[in-house]
Amino acid sequence: EAQVTQNPRYLITVTGKKLTVTCSQNMNHEYMSWYRQDPGLGLRQIYYSMNVEVTDKGDVPEGYKVSRKEKRNFPLILESPSPNQTSLYFCASSVGGGADYNEQFFGPGTRLTVL
Amino acid sequence: AQSVTQPDIHITVSEGASLELRCNYSYGATPYLFWYVQSPGQGLQLLLKYFSGDTLVQGIKGFEAEFKRSQSSFNLRKPSVHWSDAAEYFCAVGAPGGYQKVTFGTGTKLQVIP
Repeated sequence: EAQVTQNPRYLITVTGKKLTVTCSQNMNHEYMSWYRQDPGLGLRQIYYSMNVEVTDKGDVPEGYKVSRKEKRNFPLILESPSPNQTSLYFCASSVGGGADYNEQFFGPGTRLTVL
Repeated sequence: AQSVTQPDIHITVSEGASLELRCNYSYGATPYLFWYVQSPGQGLQLLLKYFSGDTLVQGIKGFEAEFKRSQSSFNLRKPSVHWSDAAEYFCAVGAPGGYQKVTFGTGTKLQVIP
């Protein structure tokens, strides 16, 4: 089954404790993105990746890191989480090239709480 | 820079009634336009998309949307709403020919009453 998976689905942590949210897709997509969803703000892009070893900042990259060492994986790293990073996070992927590259497939989401 | 406005935060309709969700975008040329639906506790699912050509596009679950360049709008419609349509709906705009940059609206939450 074609899908985007994220782990963990739920996470409660404390300020300053480094964490990683994993994202994996099995569709051989070139493009992958991370979003955060907050009430009243919709989805905001954190980082995106156009291919292996190619990443760039989205609209709200502060406090986050990403890496793309393999095509299928795109982990989101919070080196020193703070309470304002409490949010619902989505990973998404899309096929590269052509007019369809913007159509994104989303993971189920990771609800993060930073105390 | 591209932007999307969904002026209605919350809409309530009766089951069987028609539905129209509004979306206005800002972009210098013809963008790529999308509607996604998010059911409670779920990720986002693509309903429909517009890239070019016929300005009335059909999507899944009986939804359609019309691109109106003169109004910079891409409103979502459904002639008869079902209780299972209760969800949050997001309009999104993408930049043609460029890198992966999609901007989402703030969403419209749809409530369906019997």
